[in-house]
Amino acid sequence: GQNIDQPTEMTATEGAIVQINCTYQTSGFNGLFWYQQHAGEAPTFLSYNVLDGLEEKGRFSSFLSRSKGYSYLLLKELQMKDSASYLCARGVDTGGFKTIFGAGTRLFVKA
Amino acid sequence: KAGVTQTPRYLIKTRGQQVTLSCSPISGHRSVSWYQQTPGQGLQFLFEYFSETQRNKGNFPGRFSGRQFSNSRSEMNVSTLELGDSALYLCASSFGGGATEAFFGQGTRLTVV
Repeated sequence: GQNIDQPTEMTATEGAIVQINCTYQTSGFNGLFWYQQHAGEAPTFLSYNVLDGLEEKGRFSSFLSRSKGYSYLLLKELQMKDSASYLCARGVDTGGFKTIFGAGTRLFVKA
Repeated sequence: KAGVTQTPRYLIKTRGQQVTLSCSPISGHRSVSWYQQTPGQGLQFLFEYFSETQRNKGNFPGRFSGRQFSNSRSEMNVSTLELGDSALYLCASSFGGGATEAFFGQGTRLTVV
């Protein structure tokens, strides 16, 4: 979706760690967002990276490499409630800022 | 504080009709963005308004339009509806727009028959 690539679906086991990768087009890049969206609900903000490196926030961490056009979202100690879609989105500033979303990765957490 | 409110939640329209959707942002937020979400396509950016001005626009036909009022509430209008316009329409508000956290409403589910 719009020059953002992420896997369509992933399955992981409760208590495990899962990494969701995202690659994006780097032109006009102005930050990388991750959102979580449960079925039938609105997306909710998870993280924002503008500099290279790892940002940790509780069980969730997000990594960015601007030179590679690459990010990942790391979820630790998976819980059943983490079953949701995870949306990678890049900020684009080409004279006016907008956020471009990928199609999302549906994560299934099994017992 | 109250979240982003979108009305109506569900809507069924006939091809050729027009529709207006409403979004009330979080109090104090001046930026409102609109997205169309369909299965497999993700969120497609429609447009963003800030202080009553459209700052950015996505690649949608001119049938899709919007506006923002002085109280930051926003509306989007779709004229001459097509079957392919059936989607979840989401609005998101943020304090200043740009690279800031956006808060989404629950969306309006539009079905065109």
